[in-house]
Amino acid sequence: DTGVSQNPRHKITKRGQNVTFRCDPISEHNRLYWYRQTLGQGPEFLTYFQNEAQLEKSRLLSDRFSAERPKGSFSTLEIQRTEQGDSAMYLCASSFPRDTRREKLFFGSGTQLSVL
Amino acid sequence: DAKTTQPTSMDCAEGRAANLPCNHSTISGNEYVYWYRQIHSQGPQYIIHGLKNNETNEMASLIITEDRKSSTLILPHATLRDTAVYYCIVRQMFSGGSNYKLTFGKGTLLTVNP
Repeated sequence: DTGVSQNPRHKITKRGQNVTFRCDPISEHNRLYWYRQTLGQGPEFLTYFQNEAQLEKSRLLSDRFSAERPKGSFSTLEIQRTEQGDSAMYLCASSFPRDTRREKLFFGSGTQLSVL
Repeated sequence: DAKTTQPTSMDCAEGRAANLPCNHSTISGNEYVYWYRQIHSQGPQYIIHGLKNNETNEMASLIITEDRKSSTLILPHATLRDTAVYYCIVRQMFSGGSNYKLTFGKGTLLTVNP
């Protein structure tokens, strides 16, 4: 168990550029979640996958955001035409709920995005 | 919207018990109480969860009132490394409902002082 890995740890970009983040979940975890966190706030749900299927997307996930999880392993989150309001910490979490009543999410350390 | 109410901040002396309260007066019968914490510059970390009985693990104890409208997370011997934001979350048991995913509020900033 090497934990959830997110890359890069930090990303600085100019407004209007596209960015892509990667998340490698814990091996064999079939669920993968993306959250966004701004300063002083708790994490906000963006989307989640069960295996390769994207089962739910938040209203926060505008058309500029797209997430994929090919083959049900790693996931990518792409933001097109970044805006300053996209500046935040993007967190990934994974789980393998043998019993969905006791699902525990394991979070990565996040990717900090700064849009100039 | 988060369904819980927590104090914004609390202090605790190192070595003493830290008792973090949470109100969840609108909790329904199919919702669990979860606690996560987030140390600065890290992702949230699972602590404990429960339905109606008190729970204990290697990290903490969770005391849920009989009417389930409030709960207390207890760190029995707080250390400096327990300084973090603690989130109390209510979550449905099964997927498909609107409250299945973890919905974080602002949490309680616990500061453990030497």
